[in-house]
Amino acid sequence: RKEVEQDPGPFNVPEGATVAFNCTYSNSASQSFFWYRQDCRKEPKLLMSVYSSGNEDGRFTAQLNRASQYISLLIRDSKLSDSATYLCVVTAPNNYQLIWGAGTKLIIKP
Amino acid sequence: ETGVTQTPRHLVMGMTNKKSLKCEQHLGHNAMYWYKQSAKKPLELMFVYSLEERVENNSVPSRFSPECPNSSHLFLHLHTLQPEDSALYLCASSPRGGADGYTFGSGTRLTVV
Repeated sequence: RKEVEQDPGPFNVPEGATVAFNCTYSNSASQSFFWYRQDCRKEPKLLMSVYSSGNEDGRFTAQLNRASQYISLLIRDSKLSDSATYLCVVTAPNNYQLIWGAGTKLIIKP
Repeated sequence: ETGVTQTPRHLVMGMTNKKSLKCEQHLGHNAMYWYKQSAKKPLELMFVYSLEERVENNSVPSRFSPECPNSSHLFLHLHTLQPEDSALYLCASSPRGGADGYTFGSGTRLTVV
């Protein structure tokens, strides 16, 4: 089983729609959780951390379900500029290293 | 210049060549990392340096050799690479070697011919 699993997509979504993707992780001892965004041929950039109580940053909402070991990202009112690959990232149990998913590709269409 | 800077951006090398990738950070971070990103695969951690000491080496072949002369600079020396080593090599830094505050460089896209 992969340590962090994501649906690779692509998710093709019309502009203005709401889209959600999930990620599952295998190690219940992981303590910190993040979503990164990576544009084509660019480096990953932190989108948001994910907290147990759920958190929102503008059009983006992240949720964590520790019991089921999954993390979700919801994007409302999607924009063309949201097209990217979204990487789910969790910390190793030592809270030192990051364990990366392979990413979910999102394409927003006009 | 601020952030994490990597050079070169693109590199094509033969299997018998020797080359080096360079990474420089101006953020005052204490930890630096080398990652490999192959198509449709997760980022693979190669090496971690914290306060200039190597703290992690994830079973990387010896044809990759890291060097961290100070907390601002990180090199990856390459020799006798294989075509399967072609990938995007990303450098990152973080304040204390933990999970927060990762900043990546733009990467070096390496092609081994």
